[in-house]
Amino acid sequence: GAVVSQHPSWVICKSGTSVKIECRSLDFQATTMFWYRQFPKQSLMLMATSNEGSKATYEQGVEKDKFLINHASLTLSTLTVTSAHPEDSSFYICSARDRGQNTEAFFGQGTRLTVV
Amino acid sequence: AQSVSQHNHHVILSEAASLELGCNYSYGGTVNLFWYVQYPGQHLQLLLKYFSGDPLVKGIKGFEAEFIKSKFSFNLRKPSVQWSDTAEYFCAPNTNAGKSTFGDGTTLTVKP
Repeated sequence: GAVVSQHPSWVICKSGTSVKIECRSLDFQATTMFWYRQFPKQSLMLMATSNEGSKATYEQGVEKDKFLINHASLTLSTLTVTSAHPEDSSFYICSARDRGQNTEAFFGQGTRLTVV
Repeated sequence: AQSVSQHNHHVILSEAASLELGCNYSYGGTVNLFWYVQYPGQHLQLLLKYFSGDPLVKGIKGFEAEFIKSKFSFNLRKPSVQWSDTAEYFCAPNTNAGKSTFGDGTTLTVKP
Protein backbone atom coordinates (compact mmCIF):
# COMPACT_ATOMS: atom_id res chain seq x y z
CA GLY A 1 0.00 0.00 0.00
CA ALA A 2 0.82 3.72 0.17
CA VAL A 3 1.90 4.17 -3.41
CA VAL A 4 2.41 7.59 -4.93
CA SER A 5 2.79 7.85 -8.66
CA GLN A 6 4.17 10.77 -10.64
CA HIS A 7 3.68 11.35 -14.31
CA PRO A 8 5.62 11.84 -16.45
CA SER A 9 8.89 10.37 -15.18
CA TRP A 10 10.81 12.68 -17.43
CA VAL A 11 9.98 15.45 -19.84
CA ILE A 12 11.88 17.68 -22.24
CA CYS A 13 10.26 20.94 -23.27
CA LYS A 14 11.16 24.06 -25.16
CA SER A 15 11.89 27.29 -23.37
CA GLY A 16 8.73 29.36 -22.95
CA THR A 17 6.31 26.47 -22.89
CA SER A 18 4.42 25.10 -19.89
CA VAL A 19 4.69 21.64 -18.41
CA LYS A 20 2.26 19.85 -16.13
CA ILE A 21 3.36 17.18 -13.66
CA GLU A 22 0.84 14.93 -11.95
CA CYS A 23 1.09 13.37 -8.51
CA ARG A 24 -1.40 10.66 -7.64
CA SER A 25 -1.96 8.66 -4.49
CA LEU A 26 -2.99 5.27 -5.82
CA ASP A 27 -4.33 3.46 -2.78
CA PHE A 28 -5.09 6.15 -0.24
CA GLN A 29 -6.64 9.57 0.05
CA ALA A 30 -4.29 12.48 0.48
CA THR A 31 -5.57 15.72 1.92
CA THR A 32 -2.07 17.13 1.78
CA MET A 33 0.63 16.76 -0.83
CA PHE A 34 4.06 18.34 -0.91
CA TRP A 35 6.16 19.40 -3.88
CA TYR A 36 9.96 19.36 -3.72
CA ARG A 37 12.67 20.32 -6.16
CA GLN A 38 16.11 18.77 -6.34
CA PHE A 39 18.90 20.35 -8.38
CA PRO A 40 21.82 18.15 -9.45
CA LYS A 41 23.98 17.06 -6.55
CA GLN A 42 21.83 18.97 -4.07
CA SER A 43 19.23 18.10 -1.50
CA LEU A 44 15.48 18.29 -1.81
CA MET A 45 13.95 21.67 -1.14
CA LEU A 46 10.29 22.05 -0.30
CA MET A 47 8.52 24.27 -2.81
CA ALA A 48 4.93 24.21 -1.63
CA THR A 49 2.28 22.42 0.37
CA SER A 50 -0.82 21.48 -1.56
CA ASN A 51 -4.09 21.13 0.31
CA GLU A 52 -7.14 19.53 -1.26
CA GLY A 53 -9.76 22.09 -2.12
CA SER A 54 -7.76 25.12 -1.13
CA LYS A 55 -4.85 27.23 -2.29
CA ALA A 56 -1.34 25.93 -2.00
CA THR A 57 1.09 27.35 0.51
CA TYR A 58 4.40 28.31 -1.08
CA GLU A 59 7.78 28.43 0.59
CA GLN A 60 9.68 31.67 0.65
CA GLY A 61 11.32 32.43 -2.66
CA VAL A 62 9.08 30.18 -4.74
CA GLU A 63 7.08 32.05 -7.38
CA LYS A 64 3.46 30.98 -7.11
CA ASP A 65 2.61 32.39 -10.53
CA LYS A 66 5.33 30.34 -12.13
CA PHE A 67 4.69 27.08 -10.30
CA LEU A 68 0.94 26.59 -10.36
CA ILE A 69 -0.39 23.93 -8.02
CA ASN A 70 -3.85 22.43 -8.17
CA HIS A 71 -5.16 19.85 -5.72
CA ALA A 72 -8.64 19.25 -7.00
CA SER A 73 -9.25 15.81 -5.53
CA LEU A 74 -8.09 13.64 -2.67
CA THR A 75 -5.87 11.60 -4.98
CA LEU A 76 -4.43 14.11 -7.41
CA SER A 77 -2.25 17.19 -7.25
CA THR A 78 -0.68 18.84 -10.27
CA LEU A 79 2.29 21.15 -10.62
CA THR A 80 2.45 23.28 -13.74
CA VAL A 81 5.72 24.98 -14.57
CA THR A 82 4.67 27.96 -16.65
CA SER A 83 6.88 29.64 -19.23
CA ALA A 84 9.68 27.25 -18.44
CA HIS A 85 13.30 28.34 -18.77
CA PRO A 86 16.50 26.28 -18.71
CA GLU A 87 17.11 27.24 -15.08
CA ASP A 88 13.87 25.43 -14.20
CA SER A 89 15.47 22.17 -15.28
CA SER A 90 15.42 20.02 -12.17
CA PHE A 91 14.06 16.91 -10.52
CA TYR A 92 10.58 17.53 -9.13
CA ILE A 93 9.30 15.19 -6.43
CA CYS A 94 5.96 15.01 -4.70
CA SER A 95 4.91 13.36 -1.48
CA ALA A 96 1.44 12.66 -0.15
CA ARG A 97 0.12 12.30 3.37
CA ASP A 98 -2.53 9.70 4.03
CA ARG A 99 -5.56 11.41 5.56
CA GLY A 100 -5.99 8.35 7.76
CA GLN A 101 -2.69 8.77 9.54
CA ASN A 102 -0.55 11.75 10.29
CA THR A 103 2.97 10.56 10.74
CA GLU A 104 4.33 9.90 7.30
CA ALA A 105 4.20 11.19 3.77
CA PHE A 106 4.98 8.86 0.88
CA PHE A 107 7.17 9.96 -2.00
CA GLY A 108 6.62 9.64 -5.71
CA GLN A 109 9.39 8.55 -8.02
CA GLY A 110 10.03 12.06 -9.26
CA THR A 111 9.90 13.85 -12.61
CA ARG A 112 13.03 15.00 -14.36
CA LEU A 113 12.36 18.19 -16.28
CA THR A 114 14.79 19.42 -18.91
CA VAL A 115 14.10 22.75 -20.57
CA VAL A 116 15.98 23.37 -23.81
CA ALA B 1 11.98 26.53 12.45
CA GLN B 2 12.90 22.96 11.75
CA SER B 3 16.42 22.24 10.58
CA VAL B 4 18.60 19.20 10.04
CA SER B 5 22.35 18.84 9.80
CA GLN B 6 24.22 15.97 8.22
CA HIS B 7 27.83 16.15 9.29
CA ASN B 8 29.48 14.10 6.60
CA HIS B 9 29.31 15.49 3.10
CA HIS B 10 31.22 12.73 1.38
CA VAL B 11 32.30 9.43 2.89
CA ILE B 12 34.57 6.97 1.15
CA LEU B 13 34.89 3.45 2.53
CA SER B 14 36.21 0.11 1.47
CA GLU B 15 33.88 -2.87 1.30
CA ALA B 16 33.23 -4.51 4.66
CA ALA B 17 34.03 -1.34 6.58
CA SER B 18 31.54 -0.09 9.12
CA LEU B 19 29.47 2.99 8.42
CA GLU B 20 28.04 5.70 10.60
CA LEU B 21 26.45 8.82 9.17
CA GLY B 22 25.56 11.61 11.53
CA CYS B 23 22.29 13.49 11.63
CA ASN B 24 21.23 16.16 14.08
CA TYR B 25 17.95 18.00 13.97
CA SER B 26 16.34 20.87 15.73
CA TYR B 27 12.63 21.12 16.21
CA GLY B 28 10.53 22.21 19.12
CA GLY B 29 7.66 19.78 18.73
CA THR B 30 7.07 16.14 18.02
CA VAL B 31 9.18 14.97 15.16
CA ASN B 32 9.33 11.77 13.19
CA LEU B 33 12.66 10.72 11.75
CA PHE B 34 13.50 9.17 8.42
CA TRP B 35 16.52 8.13 6.42
CA TYR B 36 16.22 7.89 2.65
CA VAL B 37 18.63 6.57 0.06
CA GLN B 38 18.95 7.70 -3.53
CA TYR B 39 20.96 5.47 -5.83
CA PRO B 40 22.60 7.13 -8.84
CA GLY B 41 19.93 8.21 -11.30
CA GLN B 42 17.09 6.80 -9.24
CA HIS B 43 14.36 8.10 -7.01
CA LEU B 44 14.20 8.25 -3.22
CA GLN B 45 13.74 5.06 -1.27
CA LEU B 46 12.90 4.81 2.39
CA LEU B 47 15.62 3.09 4.45
CA LEU B 48 14.05 3.31 7.88
CA LYS B 49 11.90 5.46 10.10
CA TYR B 50 11.33 6.25 13.75
CA PHE B 51 8.08 7.43 15.28
CA SER B 52 8.23 6.24 18.89
CA GLY B 53 9.18 3.27 21.04
CA ASP B 54 12.49 1.45 20.77
CA PRO B 55 15.06 4.09 19.81
CA LEU B 56 17.07 1.58 17.81
CA VAL B 57 15.31 0.97 14.53
CA LYS B 58 16.22 -1.47 11.84
CA GLY B 59 15.64 -0.83 8.18
CA ILE B 60 16.21 -2.47 4.87
CA LYS B 61 19.53 -3.79 3.56
CA GLY B 62 21.09 -4.15 7.00
CA PHE B 63 20.85 -0.48 7.96
CA GLU B 64 19.88 0.69 11.42
CA ALA B 65 19.61 4.01 13.19
CA GLU B 66 19.54 5.11 16.80
CA PHE B 67 17.43 7.96 18.08
CA ILE B 68 19.10 9.77 20.98
CA LYS B 69 16.62 12.32 22.22
CA SER B 70 19.05 14.15 24.50
CA LYS B 71 21.40 14.74 21.59
CA PHE B 72 18.71 15.41 18.97
CA SER B 73 20.46 12.85 16.85
CA PHE B 74 19.43 10.03 14.56
CA ASN B 75 22.62 8.49 13.21
CA LEU B 76 22.56 5.87 10.50
CA ARG B 77 24.76 2.77 10.81
CA LYS B 78 25.67 -0.35 8.93
CA PRO B 79 28.20 -2.86 10.26
CA SER B 80 29.60 -3.87 6.89
CA VAL B 81 29.04 -1.88 3.71
CA GLN B 82 28.94 -3.27 0.20
CA TRP B 83 29.84 -1.70 -3.12
CA SER B 84 26.11 -1.58 -3.90
CA ASP B 85 25.58 0.81 -0.99
CA THR B 86 27.20 3.58 -3.01
CA ALA B 87 24.49 6.25 -3.04
CA GLU B 88 23.29 9.53 -1.57
CA TYR B 89 21.79 9.34 1.91
CA PHE B 90 19.35 11.87 3.30
CA CYS B 91 18.19 12.38 6.84
CA ALA B 92 14.71 13.91 6.85
CA PRO B 93 12.76 14.65 9.98
CA ASN B 94 9.16 15.53 9.50
CA THR B 95 6.37 16.98 11.53
CA ASN B 96 3.10 15.25 12.24
CA ALA B 97 1.72 17.16 9.27
CA GLY B 98 3.97 15.13 6.99
CA LYS B 99 6.19 18.03 5.93
CA SER B 100 9.79 16.85 5.53
CA THR B 101 12.97 18.85 5.90
CA PHE B 102 15.91 17.27 4.15
CA GLY B 103 19.52 17.44 5.17
CA ASP B 104 22.14 18.30 2.58
CA GLY B 105 22.79 14.64 2.05
CA THR B 106 25.86 12.45 2.38
CA THR B 107 27.45 10.88 -0.63
CA LEU B 108 28.73 7.42 0.21
CA THR B 109 31.28 5.84 -2.10
CA VAL B 110 32.21 2.24 -1.37
CA LYS B 111 35.35 1.00 -3.07
CA PRO B 112 35.28 -2.64 -4.15
